Amino acid sequence: GQQVMQIPQYQHVQEGEDFTTYCNSSTTLSNIQWYKQRPGGHPVFLIQLVKSGEVKKQKRLTFQFGEAKKNSSLHITATQTTDVGTYFCAHFAGGATNKLIFGTGTLLAVQP
Amino acid sequence: EAGVTQFPSHSVIEKGQTVTLRCDPISGHDNLYWYRRVMGKEIKFLLHFVKESKQDESGMPNNRFLAERTGGTYSTLKVQPAELEDSGVYFCASSQDLRDRGQETQYFGPGTRLLVL
Repeated sequence: GQQVMQIPQYQHVQEGEDFTTYCNSSTTLSNIQWYKQRPGGHPVFLIQLVKSGEVKKQKRLTFQFGEAKKNSSLHITATQTTDVGTYFCAHFAGGATNKLIFGTGTLLAVQP
Repeated sequence: EAGVTQFPSHSVIEKGQTVTLRCDPISGHDNLYWYRRVMGKEIKFLLHFVKESKQDESGMPNNRFLAERTGGTYSTLKVQPAELEDSGVYFCASSQDLRDRGQETQYFGPGTRLLVL
């Protein structure tokens, strides 16, 4: 399958600092989705990007899809303790099924 | 509207025992997916139902895993016999059957945390 790598694996920031996680694929992706999983929780859909170079914002979160549609990023401005969790990128595998292929995830810890 | 529900929330069993996980999708959602996250690793796809039919079971680890969705409503995932490496969090997700397959949103349940000792 199309493996998607995320970096960093883990990030520890002070509250108020910015945070960015990157998602990289060796192949062109038709779409990219981002999910957030709180500790002990389940993945919650954040957003989907489908267009080359697309940028979407949700309050302090900025999502970007690369021009070549092989990478994506999630940037959080001025982190808060509520941002703690694991952020996953994912994409539809395509074909007859819409199974999601998840990235390796980035665990964000925010120190108050 | 109720979300995706899963039962049990936790299960601790011994190696060799059988465990059955249940997932109730959002009402009206034809698509039902099972995923698993082994500790520290990414979430991996197991299989996909469209109504009662298995659309894709390419992610099922081996024949110790059996999934069913009789009647196209809730689904069960049975592990028999369980092995140590089966430990992890099993997530179920559901989505509507949209013609534009690339636009659907999958809603995840709270997961079942399985520990095999």
